[in-house]
Amino acid sequence: DQQVKQNSPSLSVQEGRISILNCDYTNSMFDYFLWYKKYPAEGPTFLISISSIKDKNEDGRFTVFLNKSAKHLSLHIVPSQPGDSAVYFCAAVSSGTYKYIFGTGTRLKVLA
Amino acid sequence: ETGVTQTPRHLVMGMTNKKSLKCEQHLGHNAMYWYKQSAKKPLELMFVYSLEERVENNSVPSRFSPECPNSSHLFLHLHTLQPEDSALYLCASSGQQGVQGYTFGSGTRLTVV
Repeated sequence: DQQVKQNSPSLSVQEGRISILNCDYTNSMFDYFLWYKKYPAEGPTFLISISSIKDKNEDGRFTVFLNKSAKHLSLHIVPSQPGDSAVYFCAAVSSGTYKYIFGTGTRLKVLA
Repeated sequence: ETGVTQTPRHLVMGMTNKKSLKCEQHLGHNAMYWYKQSAKKPLELMFVYSLEERVENNSVPSRFSPECPNSSHLFLHLHTLQPEDSALYLCASSGQQGVQGYTFGSGTRLTVV
């Protein structure tokens, strides 16, 4: 039973365009959400997060949107760059626990 | 050295071998984690240590045995593994309760033959 789902295993986008990565969750107890980026042969690195009291958080080219009623979050990257090509994982956690639940990841390829 | 360091980066072992994975962090974090990443599966939490005490054990087979001698070091002892245990094993650390996010190591790519 997957509590965090990334239904698109891969995504290709032209350089300069917007990349939108999606994530759905089922557990209403989650109150903090994160996106991680992973290059081959490296561990995931933290990218951006959002608390459930917000619906948007922006950091440079990266924006995360949270729709609590739909239990959906998305990561927007604009403009996309070839260096953004990586696997992106979303994760969710209930504050007060240690247990991050990860999705299966979406492989983003930004074409030059 | 800063960050989370895992050794070895690659490991090939037979099913009857005993080996250990090592993780070290110098971030002042007080929680450490072992995750398993298999192809086309989510990252699976295996073990959580907080202040050197194990607080989570996600029904992991006993052929995986964690050890946390202090807040900076975490080991995963492996014995009599199966080929399906081949995966990327990731160590991570975080501050209290982990809400600030994890810092991951680069992982150990384990192949069981």
